[in-house]
Amino acid sequence: LAKTTQPISMDSYEGQEVNITCSHNNIATNDYITWYQQFPSQGPRFIIQGYKTKVTNEVASLFIPADRKSSTLSLPRVSLSDTAVYYCLVGGPNYGQNFVFGPGTRLSVLP
Amino acid sequence: KAGVTQTPRYLIKTRGQQVTLSCSPISGHRSVSWYQQTPGQGLQFLFEYFSETQRNKGNFPGRFSGRQFSNSRSEMNVSTLELGDSALYLCASSLVQASSGNTIYFGEGSWLTVV
Repeated sequence: LAKTTQPISMDSYEGQEVNITCSHNNIATNDYITWYQQFPSQGPRFIIQGYKTKVTNEVASLFIPADRKSSTLSLPRVSLSDTAVYYCLVGGPNYGQNFVFGPGTRLSVLP
Repeated sequence: KAGVTQTPRYLIKTRGQQVTLSCSPISGHRSVSWYQQTPGQGLQFLFEYFSETQRNKGNFPGRFSGRQFSNSRSEMNVSTLELGDSALYLCASSLVQASSGNTIYFGEGSWLTVV
């Protein structure tokens, strides 16, 4: 069971780059790392997923070191609308009971 | 492509009653999983269905149950409601069984208030 640890909260200013790191020391060989964003009263929204090295899409980048024991979500030039809770999720085959969401990181973007 | 659709969005029930929530997955997605979200406990996995069979179950009492139909649509039921069941219930779907590292996509959730 790959438990994840993230900072509980972070503050940033508009236009800055934000990096949120997730620790997952017990990640299994076939686990993927997925990040979700959740706004109040809404379901979590998929941001990005990776297995190793670096993944980039139109909204974020995900950096995964060689040992895969941590990962960093990078949000370039955040805006006020990026204020949300961000969850790091680690899982692969046999999700289900292993599909454990941590408390997430509450990102507050200030003007 | 339409997203995951959950109904109803909001509902209020009385203690002791039962409730049924519905979820329509993204077209083509065959796996549906359910989650409960509360301020105190965060996001907790309830169960997962694939091909009309429950494949995985979280640590919830038997009052929480679900099923999946041949068209992949799913329902979850909570019987003998308790005040502590007040929560946002989220449904998510994925192309194959969630137990494969595939991405799951969430609906907007059903807000249940038990009074």
